Amino acid sequence: EPEVTQTPSHQVTQMGQEVILRCVPISNHLYFYWYRQILGQKVEFLVSFYNNEISEKSEIFDDQFSVERPDGSNFTLKIRSTKLEDSAMYFCASRSEAETQYFGPGTRLLVL
Amino acid sequence: GENVEQHPSTLSVQEGDSAVIKCTYSDSASNYFPWYKQELGKRPQLIIDIRSNVGEKKDQRIAVTLNKTAKHFSLHITETQPEDSAVYFCAANHGYSGGGADGLTFGKGTHLIIQP
Repeated sequence: EPEVTQTPSHQVTQMGQEVILRCVPISNHLYFYWYRQILGQKVEFLVSFYNNEISEKSEIFDDQFSVERPDGSNFTLKIRSTKLEDSAMYFCASRSEAETQYFGPGTRLLVL
Repeated sequence: GENVEQHPSTLSVQEGDSAVIKCTYSDSASNYFPWYKQELGKRPQLIIDIRSNVGEKKDQRIAVTLNKTAKHFSLHITETQPEDSAVYFCAANHGYSGGGADGLTFGKGTHLIIQP
């Protein structure tokens, strides 16, 4: 069964550095999402993406964040200048026309 | 925006007993309500979902009920087994966003513990 994949599984970075988190959604899916989960807390919506543009974004998704679908398979989340509070697990999700969102395994980001 | 409240935060039941987790949502535009199970360090996995035009849905030992008027929905797990132990999250879609790529707002999660 196809799955969403994410790389890297873990990322450690210094405060102020840029990071790019990568996702490969399920191949026939059209809608793409990023969520984050701070350790021990709930999953929080960041952004959704459809038809090569952002469809919806949350208050968390400020100017430091951007998303891109650079080719037909990858979906990336960039954090321009990381802060300590960006430390979290970042999940990518995708779906087809059906509503079920399938989550990737996550990237654990640690900002020092 | 949407706000989802989930109770209880922790639920401990004897193996074989039933477990019920309850959620409320705030935005009447929400029309899709999934439940995810998350094991420690793993991705959230969908276990069941319901749309607002349906009042109840069942899949083997798992059922979900939705009261659209009261804006609450519940997860019911019967004949619980040790492998049911996990954190369960309810969620509601952002029907207000108006587009197709509705994000989800999650509840804070319920840590379900099945006592042998």
